[in-house]
Amino acid sequence: AIRMTQSPSSLSASTGDRVTITCRASQGISSYLAWYQQKPGKAPKLLIYAASTLQSGVPSRFSGSGSGTDFTLTISCLQSEDFATYYCQQYYSYSWTFGQGTKVEIK
Amino acid sequence: QITLKESGPTLVKPTQTLTLTCTFSGFSLSTSGVGVGWIRQPPGKALEWLALIYWNDDKRYSPSLKSRLTITKDTSKNQVVLTMTNMDPVDTATYYCARRDYGEPFDYWGQGTLVTVSS
Repeated sequence: AIRMTQSPSSLSASTGDRVTITCRASQGISSYLAWYQQKPGKAPKLLIYAASTLQSGVPSRFSGSGSGTDFTLTISCLQSEDFATYYCQQYYSYSWTFGQGTKVEIK
Repeated sequence: QITLKESGPTLVKPTQTLTLTCTFSGFSLSTSGVGVGWIRQPPGKALEWLALIYWNDDKRYSPSLKSRLTITKDTSKNQVVLTMTNMDPVDTATYYCARRDYGEPFDYWGQGTLVTVSS
């Protein structure tokens, strides 16, 4: 199975900060990479798919980039509602796999 | 409006079989390209993909759990059922169902259901 490794595992940031989370695949996955946001007690929410396509309704401060094995999720101006855990997921090959998550906390 | 909702037991005993039902609305599992999958999340841990069934009855399973999982669909009832045999306490998790459409990953998710495995 393809292993997805996120970094960092957690980070502290302030409202207004620019935040970048990285995700590395153990083998090439083209652009079959998604990012999800999950808040405590809630289901994950799809933010970005195909590495850089913003899901409908998601604020434009979220962006994604990368292809092959290295990907990034950027939040350009962190808002209070963005404090959550973020997961990457590859859907290039079965078994689909998720990263271990990155928790974005308030500094 | 697309919705999915998981249902099933909240508590199962070790060695028992778990049966979960995902009831959805707002889309059809007979539409080309559509799939419904299951994902779980142990308390405080990461997401784990389990299984996926497509409109054409193509089924995919996590290799590590394949021997224990069965996924089926009832298109007329708008339901997808996941069974997992030989449950163990390590299978304690929130189980989610979610929709896949036209090559995109999971775009709509259910609220999840917590299943505890304990004697």
